[in-house]
Amino acid sequence: DADVTQTPRNRITKTGKRIMLECSQTKGHDRMYWYRQDPGLGLRLIYYSFDVKDINKGEISDGYSVSRQAQAKFSLSLESAIPNQTALYFCATSDTGGRAYNEQFFGPGTRLTVL
Amino acid sequence: AQTVTQSQPEMSVQEAETVTLSCTYDTSESNYYLFWYKQPPSRQMILVIRQEAYKQQNATENRFSVNFQKAAKSFSLKISDSQLGDTAMYFCAFMKHGSSNTGKLIFGQGTTLQVKP
Repeated sequence: DADVTQTPRNRITKTGKRIMLECSQTKGHDRMYWYRQDPGLGLRLIYYSFDVKDINKGEISDGYSVSRQAQAKFSLSLESAIPNQTALYFCATSDTGGRAYNEQFFGPGTRLTVL
Repeated sequence: AQTVTQSQPEMSVQEAETVTLSCTYDTSESNYYLFWYKQPPSRQMILVIRQEAYKQQNATENRFSVNFQKAAKSFSLKISDSQLGDTAMYFCAFMKHGSSNTGKLIFGQGTTLQVKP
């Protein structure tokens, strides 16, 4: 079984709809991240969380919200989806800081299309 | 703020030949990490190779090696003996080191590599 899972894998929705993307991990990591991938822009950080009570905005958080329901679960919500939120969304996890480097492990991605 | 730039949107190479992907970055940090990630058509993000900025020796992983030029802020990826399975998008990425490390990755725009038979 995959260590980092994302649901759904693909989703088509309409403008104005609320949508939630879910991420679960079995790696026991404290840190979780949401990235968005757009053609020609690479991946950009939306939100990140160091533990259940520590959530931080990334570089492109406008229009998004997150919830860390448990150590293993980190959800991304679009309260009112708009077409320019059409993108590939990735969840990632890493171990606790304290070491100089903690590798990030990525989920399989969610392809979201907003019509 | 850190930035990462990949100036080659697309590249192609014949099977068994060698190809080099370019990456430049900008930072005021003295210590950091640089990465190359591979994203095949399956969309999965796969870590290919990592370089610590404080290490002068270039990292290598089998057919993959980097040319790290710290003064020039350049970090290229060389793929030797290219295989059809190397066809993918490749991302260069940056991460701060040490106590200021929040684990955030800064990605370049990506380079699509096609290996031709």
